[in-house]
Amino acid sequence: DTAVSQTPKYLVTQMGNDKSIKCEQNLGHDTMYWYKQDSKKFLKIMFSYNNKELIINETVPNRFSPKSPDKAHLNLHINSLELGDSAVYFCASSPSWNPGNTIYFGEGSWLTVV
Amino acid sequence: AQKVTQAQTEISVVEKEDVTLDCVYETRDTTYYLFWYKQPPSGELVFLIRRNSFDEQNEISGRYSWNFQKSTSSFNFTITASQVVDSAVYFCALTVTGGGNKLTFGTGTQLKVEL
Repeated sequence: DTAVSQTPKYLVTQMGNDKSIKCEQNLGHDTMYWYKQDSKKFLKIMFSYNNKELIINETVPNRFSPKSPDKAHLNLHINSLELGDSAVYFCASSPSWNPGNTIYFGEGSWLTVV
Repeated sequence: AQKVTQAQTEISVVEKEDVTLDCVYETRDTTYYLFWYKQPPSGELVFLIRRNSFDEQNEISGRYSWNFQKSTSSFNFTITASQVVDSAVYFCALTVTGGGNKLTFGTGTQLKVEL
């Protein structure tokens, strides 16, 4: 069983569309994250949720809206997609939000906006 | 603010060579945690190791070893007898106390191991 799973793995869409990426973890962790990896492979945190509560929001455009229906799920919805949103989006989880907890990543979702 | 520097953008070695990937970090916090992750060509991010700032013991896991030196703010990663399957991008990352569990990543080192 995949510990952190995200769907879809690949997504090609047109500018202006709205799309969602779903994430689920079966590790029993309390904290989940979204990270973005750009074309130069630089990784940066976008959001973090702890027990369904938003705790980190890293100056991400408000076109990006995360939603956590329960602590095992953290979905990412993106409105009005732009070319610059093309990236790999990684979902991740950790046992808690205490610093130093190991963060385990999903396999990534490759988003291409054309 | 925290910073992680991986000065080596790309390293190419021949199989069975030893290779060291450098990582230098900056933080004013006295309590912090360092990580290494591997990103193979298939794209996933694989956790390799976690080290806290109070534990300067070096660690060895099979062909992998890590050298943590607070005096030089470095957390270097050595692969002994490299194999083609070690080809990947390797990321060093840092998290500090306060502000949640947020990883600051270096820019990664692309390792290519050739036959």
